[in-house]
Amino acid sequence: GQNIDQPTEMTATEGAIVQINCTYQTSGFNGLFWYQQHAGEAPTFLSYNVLDGLEEKGRFSSFLSRSKGYSYLLLKELQMKDSASYLCAVTDSNYQLIWGAGTKLIIKP
Amino acid sequence: GAVVSQHPSWVICKSGTSVKIECRSLDFQATTMFWYRQFPKQSLMLMATSNEGSKATYEQGVEKDKFLINHASLTLSTLTVTSAHPEDSSFYICSAREGQGDADTQYFGPGTRLTVL
Repeated sequence: GQNIDQPTEMTATEGAIVQINCTYQTSGFNGLFWYQQHAGEAPTFLSYNVLDGLEEKGRFSSFLSRSKGYSYLLLKELQMKDSASYLCAVTDSNYQLIWGAGTKLIIKP
Repeated sequence: GAVVSQHPSWVICKSGTSVKIECRSLDFQATTMFWYRQFPKQSLMLMATSNEGSKATYEQGVEKDKFLINHASLTLSTLTVTSAHPEDSSFYICSAREGQGDADTQYFGPGTRLTVL
């Protein structure tokens, strides 16, 4: 079966750095997405990785290792507004988007 | 970035009535739109994939006669929840895919919160 694993919840301190991991087992791979979702709102696009390596975009970076079926989202200089759920999603060989359950990130002052 | 709008943002209706939700891509043409529902504290569940000018493809377990999807133009898709019941109360989110490639990014509408009394 197809599976995406990410931690259910993480806590970090304002101004710090946090890494949210995502591992996947899917039938084929055509890219990995990270989305941010605030409570009661729709997801917003953060990043897309299809090749191995690190993609940096401001305070957020996303890393992919296809051989390990592994990705992480790195958030630097955490702000209170970063408190949200972070969803990892993988496009499989049929170009279906498989969603992880999301990681709830709690930022403490 | 690409903008997707959804209307209404919330709706309360009586059991047995029908509700229509609109999804529009404002600054790009979307050949494919997706409809999701999300229950509290759960991840997104894909309901159907909608291609402009053709019938929607429904996921297993989703009743196509209950959730009517129309994608009449490259910028508009509608979801109609027919004969709504309290168990249909949920957060409905649409997304639109920009570009022609299947791997292209999906951009999400703000969602519609449906409450059926």
